[in-house]
Amino acid sequence: AQSVAQPEDQVNVAEGNPLTVKCTYSVSGNPYLFWYVQYPNRGLQFLLKYITGDNLVKGSYGFEAEFNKSQTSFHLKKPSALVSDSALYFCAVRDYNAGNMLTFGGGTRLMVKP
Amino acid sequence: DTAVSQTPKYLVTQMGNDKSIKCEQNLGHDTMYWYKQDSKKFLKIMFSYNNKELIINETVPNRFSPKSPDKAHLNLHINSLELGDSAVYFCASSQEGQPNTEAFFGQGTRLTVV
Repeated sequence: AQSVAQPEDQVNVAEGNPLTVKCTYSVSGNPYLFWYVQYPNRGLQFLLKYITGDNLVKGSYGFEAEFNKSQTSFHLKKPSALVSDSALYFCAVRDYNAGNMLTFGGGTRLMVKP
Repeated sequence: DTAVSQTPKYLVTQMGNDKSIKCEQNLGHDTMYWYKQDSKKFLKIMFSYNNKELIINETVPNRFSPKSPDKAHLNLHINSLELGDSAVYFCASSQEGQPNTEAFFGQGTRLTVV
């Protein structure tokens, strides 16, 4: 069975500082990894994905994520946080052997303070 | 154009009632999903459906049933609503056989059972 863990319920960072939101995963086959963002009272918006190739993936709004196979991690990063980045972030994994369903982590609330 | 749309956005109803939430996607995808987001923001897959197969999360009560009149629609019917059904329900879609593609989500339906 596939699973995703986001060890931090909340991450606090000052505006302009780099941010990292952590994610680890477990799958039986090759992982397809995704990050989504949810703003208050909104649906999930796709940020970026890792399929294959370069371990550093770039996505929307200046976000990037680093795939580390040995550590089974896919941490989300941004060099300089904005107050408008404050939202709920979800990491997700899809194992093709388990069908097309996305399995989500528990979410991490990112708070960026001015 | 809205890719995945759900109606209604808000639904308040009494215990014991039967209700439906509608979902439509205009992306040409052949697989649709329903997710439940509870009060702690945890996202759990309820159903995955394409024209070949319905995959049901075994933890979903049989009071919940998906109905798909065509490939672009997957409605969620809930019978005998209970207080614990209060949550935000998200519809999503993706293309079967392409696990490297992201799923697209609707804006969510906030269901409140009183």
